[in-house]
Amino acid sequence: NAGVTQTPKFRVLKTGQSMTLLCAQDMNHEYMYWYRQDPGMGLRLIHYSVGEGTTAKGEVPDGYNVSRLKKQNFLLGLESAAPSQTSVYFCASSYRDIGEQYFGPGTRLTVT
Amino acid sequence: DAKTTQPNSMESNEEEPVHLPCNHSTISGTDYIHWYRQLPSQGPEYVIHGLTSNVNNRMASLAIAEDRKSSTLILHRATLRDAAVYYCILSGYGGSQGNLIFGKGTKLSVKP
Repeated sequence: NAGVTQTPKFRVLKTGQSMTLLCAQDMNHEYMYWYRQDPGMGLRLIHYSVGEGTTAKGEVPDGYNVSRLKKQNFLLGLESAAPSQTSVYFCASSYRDIGEQYFGPGTRLTVT
Repeated sequence: DAKTTQPNSMESNEEEPVHLPCNHSTISGTDYIHWYRQLPSQGPEYVIHGLTSNVNNRMASLAIAEDRKSSTLILHRATLRDAAVYYCILSGYGGSQGNLIFGKGTKLSVKP
C-alpha cells in the first residue's frame, strides 16, 4: 500500500495563478483532510471531507476550494494564489473520525 | 474551541523515560486528547489518543488527569529517533471529532 500520496511535491506560483493539489489514499478511508503548516507553526485545518461527495470548511478555508468526487481522492484548489498562501500543505486520511490520521509527505508551495 | 498549552522545548537522555505535559483547562466533556509527532521535513505521525482513561500502545502511554484538564505523554525509553515536535491536540472543531487543531507543540531533543 502506498498510503497517502500528494502531488506535486514542490511548486512555485506567481501571484494570481491557479493550481490544484492532489491527495490520494489507497486505504479506503472515509475521512480526508487538508492542512497547511507555516514555518515554526503547527498545522491548521483548511477543509475536510467525511465521505465521497461531501466537503466542509475547517479553521482557515478562505482562498481555497476542495472537491471529493471519488472516495480515494481529495483535491485542494487555489483559484488566485497569494503570497500569504506560501506554506507546506499536508493531506491526511482516516477510517473514522476518532483515531489515527495518516498524513502524506506534504507539498511545499511558494507564491511569489 | 478548547486549546492546549505545552512547553516549547524539552530535553531528554537516551534510554530514559520522558514525560511530556499538556494543559487543556477548557476541555469539554466530548473532546478527545490526541498526540502526534512530527520529524523534520515529514508529515505528522499518530502517537496515541484517549478520552478519560489512561491509554497504552506500543509507542507510548497517555496519562489523563481525573479532571481531564491536563495530560501527559510518556515515552518509556527515549531513543534518538524520538527527537521530534510533539503535538497535544483536542479534537472536535466544527463538531467533527476528526478535526484536529494543532498548537505549536513541544520540541523534544534526545541526547546520546
